[in-house]
Amino acid sequence: DQQVKQNSPSLSVQEGRISILNCDYTNSMFDYFLWYKKYPAEGPTFLISISSIKDKNEDGRFTVFLNKSAKHLSLHIVPSQPGDSAVYFCAALSNTDKLIFGTGTRLQVFP
Amino acid sequence: DTEVTQTPKHLVMGMTNKKSLKCEQHMGHRAMYWYKQKAKKPPELMFVYSYEKLSINESVPSRFSPECPNSSLLNLHLHALQPEDSALYLCASSDTGNYGYTFGSGTRLTVV
Repeated sequence: DQQVKQNSPSLSVQEGRISILNCDYTNSMFDYFLWYKKYPAEGPTFLISISSIKDKNEDGRFTVFLNKSAKHLSLHIVPSQPGDSAVYFCAALSNTDKLIFGTGTRLQVFP
Repeated sequence: DTEVTQTPKHLVMGMTNKKSLKCEQHMGHRAMYWYKQKAKKPPELMFVYSYEKLSINESVPSRFSPECPNSSLLNLHLHALQPEDSALYLCASSDTGNYGYTFGSGTRLTVV
């Protein structure tokens, strides 16, 4: 039972354009959401997070949007850069201390 | 120090071996975690330690044995593993009231 899903396994975007990565969840008890970036053979690196009481959080080139009624969140990266090429995981947290990861989206930013 | 350090980075072990993975953090985080990641899959939670006590065991087989000697250290003892246990093992830590998790670089484990 995959509680956090990223339906696009891969995304290819031209440098300078916007990258939009999507994530859906099924558990309404999740109250905090995070995005991680991961390179091969390395641990995930925290990017940005959002509380369930907000609908938007912005940090530099990264913006996360949360639509609670749709149980959907998205990560916008603008402008995209080649160094952004990695696998991106969304993750959800409930009050049980369990961080549940989505299936990941591989982003490739080409020149 | 804002890192989680995992050793070794790579480990090859036979099915009859006993080995240990180590994880260390000096950020004063009160919770530490072990995750397992197989290729092209998301990290899966194995164990959670909160204030040095095991709080979550995600039905992990007993051939994996976690240990938290103190608030800065987390070990994962391995015994009689199977080839399908080959994976990247990630350690993470987090602080009370701060939802940010800090991950280590992981140990790439190969069971032969």
